[in-house]
Amino acid sequence: DAKTTQPTSMDCAEGRAANLPCNHSTISGNEYVYWYRQIHSQGPQYIIHGLKNNETNEMASLIITEDRKSSTLILPHATLRDTAVYYCIVHNAGGTSYGKLTFGQGTILTVHP
Amino acid sequence: KAGVTQTPRYLIKTRGQQVTLSCSPISGHRSVSWYQQTPGQGLQFLFEYFSETQRNKGNFPGRFSGRQFSNSRSEMNVSTLELGDSALYLCASSEDSYNEQFFGPGTRLTVL
Repeated sequence: DAKTTQPTSMDCAEGRAANLPCNHSTISGNEYVYWYRQIHSQGPQYIIHGLKNNETNEMASLIITEDRKSSTLILPHATLRDTAVYYCIVHNAGGTSYGKLTFGQGTILTVHP
Repeated sequence: KAGVTQTPRYLIKTRGQQVTLSCSPISGHRSVSWYQQTPGQGLQFLFEYFSETQRNKGNFPGRFSGRQFSNSRSEMNVSTLELGDSALYLCASSEDSYNEQFFGPGTRLTVL
């Protein structure tokens, strides 16, 4: 699976949009971009994933650049409960990496009142 | 649907002992993955089971083993515990490895 690069930490004001970037310049054509988050001492929570098109669900939006070398997770109206570590993961779900998600260090997002 | 459950939630053992952790996946999910999380190494993949077969294994010593039952419930076992095995052990289930994983709350293992 391709490696990802994320900022170590980011801050956001409550009610504002949080935009979390991720670089994955070595991504290959059959690898998806997944986002998970982990609130302190809980299990990671799935947020969203995509291949090449932008995706949106009730939690967030995922914007993937046309060359697929980077992506941005957008939390449209951040709340204090969105404070967590956010992981960007590139994963070839159909290959031999059965069930293996490779977690990096992630981005610590702190939402301030 | 009920989420992924893990038992026990907390466990304290001493060096040399063995431990068995249990994971019940979401109903209908046949893939179960296990991860170890420590402050120093972060989240690391242990192994994945699908339909009672181990399909993938991470870079951990043979003291770490697992199995999956016909109802998709899974257990992992760590033998001859070492202090460095103290960690949060997480399991995650998915319909198959093609799909997103849903994580349980984890089992916090402390080895004294």
